[in-house]
Amino acid sequence: GAGVSQSPRYKVAKRGQDVALRCDPISGHVSLFWYQQALGQGPEFLTYFQNEAQLDKSGLPSDRFFAERPEGSVSTLKIQRTQQEDSAVYLCASSFRDSLSQRFFGQGTRLTVV
Amino acid sequence: AQSVTQLDSHVSVSEGTPVLLRCNYSSSYSPSLFWYVQHPNKGLQLLLKYTSAATLVKGINGFEAEFKKSETSFHLTKPSAHMSDAAEYFCVVSGYAGNNRKLIWGLGTSLAVNP
Repeated sequence: GAGVSQSPRYKVAKRGQDVALRCDPISGHVSLFWYQQALGQGPEFLTYFQNEAQLDKSGLPSDRFFAERPEGSVSTLKIQRTQQEDSAVYLCASSFRDSLSQRFFGQGTRLTVV
Repeated sequence: AQSVTQLDSHVSVSEGTPVLLRCNYSSSYSPSLFWYVQHPNKGLQLLLKYTSAATLVKGINGFEAEFKKSETSFHLTKPSAHMSDAAEYFCVVSGYAGNNRKLIWGLGTSLAVNP
């Protein structure tokens, strides 16, 4: 596609509900990144994929967060048993090669946990 | 370890006047530095980057930044602000963890442009 696409754009979840956020990277991009951006903050790194391999998941805040990219293209970030502190914008970025390449960002998914 | 500090959380300028967004960094080695812009309801866009070549870096939309090692600064400037420049700006320094180059983000500076 023309750019990184994320869906849904907005998600409201009740506390305790599971959510799944989708990222469609730019076609052919090898690397994919997930970030969490709290209100008034800069993005915080969550996890990084190179093709289908999850090379770094050190930023995932708890074991309730899980990300996958089974075929090396589309990625899903899943949050189980959502808590209010999970409310944030979740950003996805992709790059052509590795983590040294320029990253292109999606518009993000704004998650609100009520 | 790498870190970045944006010295102003909010900057307000008049249209046609210069813009200065300040950023200081900390890095144990020669860093790569970036400025990103985030317009409301739009994705983050790379404005410019410094990767140890020329210290004065020119970016898109008339922005530029100067890497000053002695001051550990990477301030973003533009000679004349335009209304469309109103956005959130992030200064970013790169760090490494294993084989992954991580981007370490500042808290952002909100730029308002008044007519």
